[in-house]
Amino acid sequence: GEDVEQSLFLSVREGDSSVINCTYTDSSSTYLYWYKQEPGAGLQLLTYIFSNMDMKQDQRLTVLLNKKDKHLSLRIADTQTGDSAIYFCAEENYGGSQGNLIFGKGTKLSVKP
Amino acid sequence: DAGITQSPRYKITETGRQVTLMCHQTWSHSYMFWYRQDLGHGLRLIYYSAAADITDKGEVPDGYVVSRSKTENFPLTLESATRSQTSVYFCASSEVGGSNEQFFGPGTRLTVL
Repeated sequence: GEDVEQSLFLSVREGDSSVINCTYTDSSSTYLYWYKQEPGAGLQLLTYIFSNMDMKQDQRLTVLLNKKDKHLSLRIADTQTGDSAIYFCAEENYGGSQGNLIFGKGTKLSVKP
Repeated sequence: DAGITQSPRYKITETGRQVTLMCHQTWSHSYMFWYRQDLGHGLRLIYYSAAADITDKGEVPDGYVVSRSKTENFPLTLESATRSQTSVYFCASSEVGGSNEQFFGPGTRLTVL
């Protein structure tokens, strides 16, 4: 079945790089997404990558996509305490209705000063 | 206000009562979604709508009812609330085409006693 898997927790020190990993199942996904959820708030899109790309960089964020292994990662350079949040990986759900996304359970990133 | 809003933000109710959670978006997006977020389960899709008067079940629809008479509104009703419906509920909207990004509301925290 369709499932998006992520590790649940990651702890890093301020200034280090964070790498959050995700595996997905639907090879037909056109886009893959990273969302951020801060405490008490809704999800906000951080970035997305088109499936024909291997890498996308946006300031401190780098997304790597390995289509062969169905593996997606998000690297945050120079991690700050403000980056502490839950990060969700998501893929498009073409097995269901167009427009639906399937989310992972989220990775809680804790940044220690 | 522009964007996507949810009301109420917090709600406490009793088992057996009917509760309606409201969602309103100002972008005229075609798609709207209701998710619930629970510890250990991540985000689970309850219902979604592709357009006014078109709704469909998601992963966990039992005990919920939706309607969409207008494009901008997508209320979620718990016909007879149960304790297992205690959760944080998120509404989202998107326009299919392009990146299919979903935009999330701030959430409603519902407690059923």
